[in-house]
Parts: sequence; structure tokens; C-alpha cells
Amino acid sequence: AQSVTQLGSHVSVSEGALVLLRCNYSSSVPPYLFWYVQYPNQGLQLLLKYTSAATLVKGINGFEAEFKKSETSFHLTKPSAHMSDAAEYFCAVSAIQGAQKLVFGQGTRLTINP
Amino acid sequence: EPEVTQTPSHQVTQMGQEVILRCVPISNHLYFYWYRQILGQKVEFLVSFYNNEISEKSEIFDDQFSVERPDGSNFTLKIRSTKLEDSAMYFCASVGDSTDTQYFGPGTRLTVL
Repeated sequence: AQSVTQLGSHVSVSEGALVLLRCNYSSSVPPYLFWYVQYPNQGLQLLLKYTSAATLVKGINGFEAEFKKSETSFHLTKPSAHMSDAAEYFCAVSAIQGAQKLVFGQGTRLTINP
Repeated sequence: EPEVTQTPSHQVTQMGQEVILRCVPISNHLYFYWYRQILGQKVEFLVSFYNNEISEKSEIFDDQFSVERPDGSNFTLKIRSTKLEDSAMYFCASVGDSTDTQYFGPGTRLTVL
């Protein structure tokens, strides 16, 4: 069984500040991990993914995440927030045996203050 | 860039009516999924489909739900008799044979009155 916990349903940062969105997972098998972003009234867009290669993963829009097996974490970071980063962010886990369902966390709404 | 499309973008229906939500996955993809997101809640898996049959379904996906790939391009989700609690955003996703990434459509917002 797999599950994802995202700590903090709402995160607010100032423009230019560090963004840190937390994700912890539970998986009985080696996982694939994903971050998706959802802008208002839009679908889910893949930000980045970990698929058992490099543990530090770089994605689109300057985001990156680090897979830490010992901490069962996959936190999302961005050094300098931009107003356009305001959105809902979802962490998801799947098993590695190809094309498995995604199990999502509750989501974190990121607000950027000018 | 290829993308997953969904129609309609918004569907309003009366309780007890049947609805069909349509998806066109990316053309060379082989695995297809439906997820739903009730307002304010997380995205939940409904069903996965491969080789013209259901490969996995969640407990949400009861006898009121069905999926079909009627031709080489469309992938549909049917709800036979809608309930108020079926109101949600429904997302279709697809995966190719050589990728591990699910690509999502923009969603269909279903409102049951």
C-alpha cells in the first residue's frame, strides 16, 4: 500500500523567498515520486519526477526535489518564488512496475505575497 | 506537443441521469486512467485500463461506473445513474509504453443537481 502526506495545506511566501513544500511518502515497494502543479481552473501539469536515477531531480520553472529514502521524503523547493508560482501543488507516488496508478497527497496551496 | 483532451469541460446533469465523459489520450499511449477530485479534496484514482480491459479499479468505481475504448482514439467514463456526491472534477490520464509519466487532461467538471 502507498500513501502520501503533504505537510501544510497552505504555504505563503514572499516574492523572491525560498519555496519549500513538504512531502513524505509511505510505500511497501520502491517508489516513483512525482510533483504536479494545478493552476486555477486547469488540469495537472507534471513539474518533476523521481524514477530511481539521480536523487536530486530538477523540473520545470526552476523547481527541484530531493529523494531521501532514509527520511521517506521528497520535498519540493525553489530558491526564489515568483508571483506566477501561485498554484496548488500535489505530490504523488506510484509503484515502479510501470504504468501504475498514482496516489496523491492532499495538496498544498502556495500563495506568493508581493 | 501531444496532449490529452477531454470533453465537455463542464457538464451539468440531474441526479439519476446518465453521463458520459470523453477523453482522447495521446495517440501512441497504451495505458489509460480516470481520476476524480471532489472540490477541496485530493485527486483520487478511479480506474486504469490496458489492452481493452480494466487493469485496476478503486472501491469508488462501483457498478454505476464503466469505462470503454470504443475506437482507437476515445476513452470514455460512464456514470449510469448520477448521485449528488458524484459532483467532482474528472481527469483522464495516459501513459506510453516507453514512459513512466502520466499525462493529464484538463478535466471535466461534473455538477449533479
